[in-house]
Amino acid sequence: DAGVIQSPRHEVTEMGQEVTLRCKPISGHDYLFWYRQTMMRGLELLIYFNNNVPIDDSGMPEDRFSAKMPNASFSTLKIQPSEPRDSAVYFCASSTEGYYTEAFFGQGTRLTVV
Amino acid sequence: SQKIEQNSEALNIQEGKTATLTCNYTNYSPAYLQWYRQDPGRGPVFLLLIRENEKEKRKERLKVTFDTTLKQSLFHITASQPADSATYLCALAGYQKVTFGTGTKLQVIP
Repeated sequence: DAGVIQSPRHEVTEMGQEVTLRCKPISGHDYLFWYRQTMMRGLELLIYFNNNVPIDDSGMPEDRFSAKMPNASFSTLKIQPSEPRDSAVYFCASSTEGYYTEAFFGQGTRLTVV
Repeated sequence: SQKIEQNSEALNIQEGKTATLTCNYTNYSPAYLQWYRQDPGRGPVFLLLIRENEKEKRKERLKVTFDTTLKQSLFHITASQPADSATYLCALAGYQKVTFGTGTKLQVIP
């Protein structure tokens, strides 16, 4: 397996634009997590899915953020409208048993909002 | 509120020595504690997991301890090598929640 695949690797966008980040989890993993990493706040959990169903989205900062998982092999994180403070590295991770096993992280998407 | 502190932002150590990284937490009762390694420009990579009823876990040159009374985990790398240079993150997992520390950047000097 190629691991968790995220796209794009880098994204630069103007404030106010819509941004969509994509993730393909490892096949057979029932859990998918979206994280955001910044120097100030470290790695923060935004939302996670179990069997394509959102379980906990309490980490999603605002209504501008939304995430979907239409099937077991694809998830998106959308920011609309984007703001400069959304600039961060966004990671997707997947696992077999939620928090209680190792999570496999993708390479991340570095988002810069200017 | 829940808080996780990793001892220092950066730790420099001589090659061959044992590196010890600390993860302290407050207002939390984790069932599991994990350690990850993160290299620049890459996602975290899982290293070890230890459960609340376990005191110690080992894997090759790595050792993790978990003291729920002190609310502390120690992560040891014995016979450290320059290739061990990276940022190490601890993560606490409880019911329906996982929280990461901000990490300690380890530099192993040849």
